[in-house]
Amino acid sequence: DAKTTQPTSMDCAEGRAANLPCNHSTISGNEYVYWYRQIHSQGPQYIIHGLKNNETNEMASLIITEDRKSSTLILPHATLRDTAVYYCIVRVRNQGGKLIFGQGTELSVKP
Amino acid sequence: GAVVSQHPSWVICKSGTSVKIECRSLDFQATTMFWYRQFPKQSLMLMATSNEGSKATYEQGVEKDKFLINHASLTLSTLTVTSAHPEDSSFYICSAREFSGVTEAFFGQGTRLTVV
Repeated sequence: DAKTTQPTSMDCAEGRAANLPCNHSTISGNEYVYWYRQIHSQGPQYIIHGLKNNETNEMASLIITEDRKSSTLILPHATLRDTAVYYCIVRVRNQGGKLIFGQGTELSVKP
Repeated sequence: GAVVSQHPSWVICKSGTSVKIECRSLDFQATTMFWYRQFPKQSLMLMATSNEGSKATYEQGVEKDKFLINHASLTLSTLTVTSAHPEDSSFYICSAREFSGVTEAFFGQGTRLTVV
């Protein structure tokens, strides 16, 4: 699976949009981009995934660049409860494949 | 999303004893389950992949005789830490993927193991 690069940490003001970038320049054509987050001392929570089109669900939006070498997770109105470590993972879908976690981005939402 | 339940949430045990952690998929069948370990301030590290009815596949550097994994049914996998030592103290997390091909993995809430 392709490697991802994320900033170590970010701050965001409560109520503002949080934009979390991820670089995956070696992504291959059949690899999807997945986002998970982990709130302190809990198991990771699935957020969203996509292949090449932008995706939106009740939690977030995922913007993937046309060349697929990077993506951005957008939390449109961040709340204090969104403070967590956010992981961007690239893997092939529809395989019993494992998720390999990088270091992620520690997002702090501040009042 | 689908629910994965781990038990216990936390456990304290004495050095030399064994501890069993259960991981259950509550509303779906999981042919594949994964076990992770996480030390403080670090990311999740994959320990092993278990498939129902077959032997687990361990990641490099993980002792299979120390971390026994059993995946006896489509809804239950267990991790047994044998002859635990203080350095085994960690946060253990399981995840499961649904049989039908929905590939988003869902995670349990984790088990905090402290070996004294």
